[in-house]
Amino acid sequence: NAGVTQTPKFQVLKTGQSMTLQCAQDMNHNSMYWYRQDPGMGLRLIYYSASEGTTDKGEVPNGYNVSRLNKREFSLRLESAAPSQTSVYFCASSARQKLNTEAFFGQGTRLTVV
Amino acid sequence: EDQVTQSPEALRLQEGESSSLNCSYTVSGLRGLFWYRQDPGKGPEFLFTLYSAGEEKEKERLKATLTKKESFLHITAPKPEDSATYLCAVINQAGTALIFGKGTTLSVSS
Repeated sequence: NAGVTQTPKFQVLKTGQSMTLQCAQDMNHNSMYWYRQDPGMGLRLIYYSASEGTTDKGEVPNGYNVSRLNKREFSLRLESAAPSQTSVYFCASSARQKLNTEAFFGQGTRLTVV
Repeated sequence: EDQVTQSPEALRLQEGESSSLNCSYTVSGLRGLFWYRQDPGKGPEFLFTLYSAGEEKEKERLKATLTKKESFLHITAPKPEDSATYLCAVINQAGTALIFGKGTTLSVSS
């Protein structure tokens, strides 16, 4: 049982390049999330999807777009990468639309923008 | 504003030296408080969920407790393998996402 799988694990981008971070879960969860983790800042929510077909902004959505492709997959796109987007990105999923059960996290994507 | 504050930022213990980590929170109508463990280079791993004041959960050397304003993660007789960053999170007021504290990094030496 893989849980939450993120690809790629590492990526280096040049300023202005675009890329998509992929996330898939095999737990039949309704809700999925994208967080970024920066030193001294903790985990901050970028976007979330409470259910298939819906997406909403979190605390730090600027510079990002998301797509809930189906129940399993939730992707995060950087259209024009900036050095401020250098971070570790985590995808997570949880069983219910209204979050009151634990969220399961992927292993992270370490992104460097130069 | 929903907020979570963890203290201390870092804690160094000798093997067998018990201690506690603190998580204070401000959220209107607590729906749930979560503790996670994060090892370097890994994603957070779920430990406990607490829903109401007075609730306690235990797992091996860890015990989590909850009051109306804070939660404690008690570590009894820690071992070096307990070294990690421990994260606390609460469900936001809208009930849609987790708000995380910045974590406590625990180092246990033998």
